[in-house]
Amino acid sequence: AQSVTQLDSQVPVFEEAPVELRCNYSSSVSVYLFWYVQYPNQGLQLLLKYLSGSTLVKGINGFEAEFNKSQTSFHLRKPSVHISDTAEYFCAVSRASGTYKYIFGTGTRLKVLA
Amino acid sequence: DAGVIQSPRHEVTEMGQEVTLRCKPISGHDYLFWYRQTMMRGLELLIYFNNNVPIDDSGMPEDRFSAKMPNASFSTLKIQPSEPRDSAVYFCASSVGGGRKSTNEKLFFGSGTQLSVL
Repeated sequence: AQSVTQLDSQVPVFEEAPVELRCNYSSSVSVYLFWYVQYPNQGLQLLLKYLSGSTLVKGINGFEAEFNKSQTSFHLRKPSVHISDTAEYFCAVSRASGTYKYIFGTGTRLKVLA
Repeated sequence: DAGVIQSPRHEVTEMGQEVTLRCKPISGHDYLFWYRQTMMRGLELLIYFNNNVPIDDSGMPEDRFSAKMPNASFSTLKIQPSEPRDSAVYFCASSVGGGRKSTNEKLFFGSGTQLSVL
């Protein structure tokens, strides 16, 4: 079975500062990895995903994430955040084959301060 | 495209009542997922369908929960009887090809139904 751990439940950061949201996963089989964002009172939207190839994945809104197989991590980064980035961010994992069950982490609430 | 449409947006009901949540996926999508979001447990997959057929319902918490997809454009999640611990936000999501096979595939989420069982 797969699992996802997001160690930080809340991350406050000042506007224009860099941010890293941490995600670690566990799986005995090959997986695909995702980051989704949820703005208040909305459904989740895909930020980026890693399927294969380059371990550095670039997504929307200036976010990027790096897949590290040896450390089983998929941390999300942005070099300079904006107030509008305030939202909840979810890391998710799915088996690379077979069931389409997505396992989501518990989320990290990013609060960007002026 | 209107996106994934869920109704109602908010539902308040009393314990013991039947609750039906509705979802209209994006036209052409062949996968439909039902998720439940709570503070304690985060986002949990309840069930997913492929071409209207339930594929994995291992996340359905109890027999009180049931889901149907009578056609490609409509799905329901029913709770009967409802209990206070069912209070949560229920999301429906749809996708083409499961949302992972290519860089263009992803899950499209609806805005959710906020369920409160008193």
